[in-house]
Amino acid sequence: RKEVEQDPGPFNVPEGATVAFNCTYSNSASQSFFWYRQDCRKEPKLLMSVYSSGNEDGRFTAQLNRASQYISLLIRDSKLSDSATYLCVVTGNNDMRFGAGTRLTVKP
Amino acid sequence: NAGVTQTPKFRVLKTGQSMTLLCAQDMNHEYMYWYRQDPGMGLRLIHYSVGEGTTAKGEVPDGYNVSRLKKQNFLLGLESAAPSQTSVYFCASSRTISGANVLTFGAGSRLTVL
Repeated sequence: RKEVEQDPGPFNVPEGATVAFNCTYSNSASQSFFWYRQDCRKEPKLLMSVYSSGNEDGRFTAQLNRASQYISLLIRDSKLSDSATYLCVVTGNNDMRFGAGTRLTVKP
Repeated sequence: NAGVTQTPKFRVLKTGQSMTLLCAQDMNHEYMYWYRQDPGMGLRLIHYSVGEGTTAKGEVPDGYNVSRLKKQNFLLGLESAAPSQTSVYFCASSRTISGANVLTFGAGSRLTVL
């Protein structure tokens, strides 16, 4: 079993839709969690951190469920510019693991 | 600020050739990392460095060597390239190595080994 698992997608949604991705992790001692965004043939860039109480940044909401060991990312009112691959990152003691990413395509 | 700069951006090698990828950061970050990204595998850590003069193995270190002679530079070497090393390589840096840390990535180096 991979340490960090994501549904690879692709998720194809129309503009304005709400879409959610999950990411499961196997190490119960994991400490910090992030979502990165990666555009095609570009480097990953931090989208948002994931806090225990859940957090929002505009149209994006991230949540953490420690009991079930997963994090989620919700995107509301999808824009064409949201098309990208979304990587979840799980960190522990000096250890940072990336998921393989979930590809999202937002269509007109 | 340039952030993290990788050179070269593209390279084609023949099996058995050697090469070095250079990563430079101008953010005075202590920690630097080399990852490789392959389809369906996500980013995997090759080697990392917690400061000038120090290096450590990551998840997939075999076939690679690294050096951190200056704080701002982190070099990744392939002594005898193999087709299995065809990949996209990303360098990253960060202020700390703790879980609360954020990585800044370079634009990537696409390597093909024939």
